[in-house]
Amino acid sequence: QQPVQSPQAVILREGEDAVINCSSSKALYSVHWYRQKHGEAPVFLMILLKGGEQKGHEKISASFNEKKQQSSLYLTASQLSYSGTYFCGTELSTDSWGKFQFGAGTQVVVTP
Amino acid sequence: ETGVTQTPRHLVMGMTNKKSLKCEQHLGHNAMYWYKQSAKKPLELMFVYSLEERVENNSVPSRFSPECPNSSHLFLHLHTLQPEDSALYLCASSQDSQAAGRSDTQYFGPGTRLTVL
Repeated sequence: QQPVQSPQAVILREGEDAVINCSSSKALYSVHWYRQKHGEAPVFLMILLKGGEQKGHEKISASFNEKKQQSSLYLTASQLSYSGTYFCGTELSTDSWGKFQFGAGTQVVVTP
Repeated sequence: ETGVTQTPRHLVMGMTNKKSLKCEQHLGHNAMYWYKQSAKKPLELMFVYSLEERVENNSVPSRFSPECPNSSHLFLHLHTLQPEDSALYLCASSQDSQAAGRSDTQYFGPGTRLTVL
């Protein structure tokens, strides 16, 4: 089952914060976050494993709520370079080869 | 060359043509993937190869035929495609270890933009 991302799009001014959510109806083993700029390939940001780990990448951090089966990506003090489409990808278990699924993406636009 | 490379970057083909997409990874990884990215649709996983064996085929039409001759190269052979197959085809690789847990970073190539006329 494909994870559900929200919101679909968000417009920020430089320096503002935003949260992107990724939810699953099934128990997750891991959540991956990627960012894709227009005309470019997706770029890996971070992986979160079940257990509620929180990780960070520059001023972008994420959490994994195992009870809710939801991951949230936090864009803090956003920069112009944060613009792009953010995808979450989910795995259900360690042996779920080929069952990795992506959400529909959240388009982020950061304006000066 | 570093990372994951894909050729060609752009391809236009007729429905009766046969063509192949090529992916090469220079990261020493042992798993490779083909994804399809259509406009306004989520990324779709098409094929997974681990240690040169196909692990998963997510019910992709037979007009798409993958080939993985070694751990560094992955091909996608195309024949009698349909206009709805027009999309960005992305290749990715990762280092997968069951002992360490399956989850690992996938590194993507730049993609091949395919247009089927």
